[in-house]
Amino acid sequence: EIVLTQSPGTLSLSPGERATLSCRASQSVSSSYLAWYQQKPGQAPRLLIYVASTRAPGIPDRFSGSGSGTDFTLTISRLEPEDFAVYYCQQYGNSPRSFGQGTKLEIK
Amino acid sequence: EVQLVESGGGLVQPGGSLRLSCAASGFTFSNYEMHWVRQAPGKGLEWKGLEWVSYISSSGSTIYYADSVKGRFTISRDNAKNSLYLQMNSLRAEDTAVYYCVRGQAGSKWGQGSLVTVSS
Repeated sequence: EIVLTQSPGTLSLSPGERATLSCRASQSVSSSYLAWYQQKPGQAPRLLIYVASTRAPGIPDRFSGSGSGTDFTLTISRLEPEDFAVYYCQQYGNSPRSFGQGTKLEIK
Repeated sequence: EVQLVESGGGLVQPGGSLRLSCAASGFTFSNYEMHWVRQAPGKGLEWKGLEWVSYISSSGSTIYYADSVKGRFTISRDNAKNSLYLQMNSLRAEDTAVYYCVRGQAGSKWGQGSLVTVSS
């Protein structure tokens, strides 16, 4: 099973700043099948990025994904108030699928 | 509008059974693989991380389970009824979670979730 480790656990930033979230896999993720999700309190997760760098429909271009192999990054270029949430990465190239433990992005 | 609506959650005693359903609408259900993902409660009002539970291919011919539920849970689908199911037997306290129905290889659509509480 591929273990995904997200860092940092909590990131405290201000609106307008740049956020960089990391997701490291215990082994190479097949075909860069790596997704990022955003979850706000009381809501289901929402897909942001798939195949490591492709934005899902309707996702603002301030969200970008990069990486391959075992190291992946989600970048939010300029934080908006609505971006403060928990972010999860997930690999779906190998069975069983697995999620990272999450990064909480909080307002500083 | 694409929608996934889960139902069937509730309170059940340890060792009991429950069947979750997920009604799909707004897309061609038979074209998509489907998954169940769960999220357990944490401390206070917070929730723990996400745990993938099970997968079923678009035709229903291929199925996978997480080790934590293998032998106890059964995923199935009825493409004629645009519905996904999760039969949960021999439930344990650690199965307490919100269960989400999720569409597609990368989870492009999630339902609102159905809370399952296993407690005596």
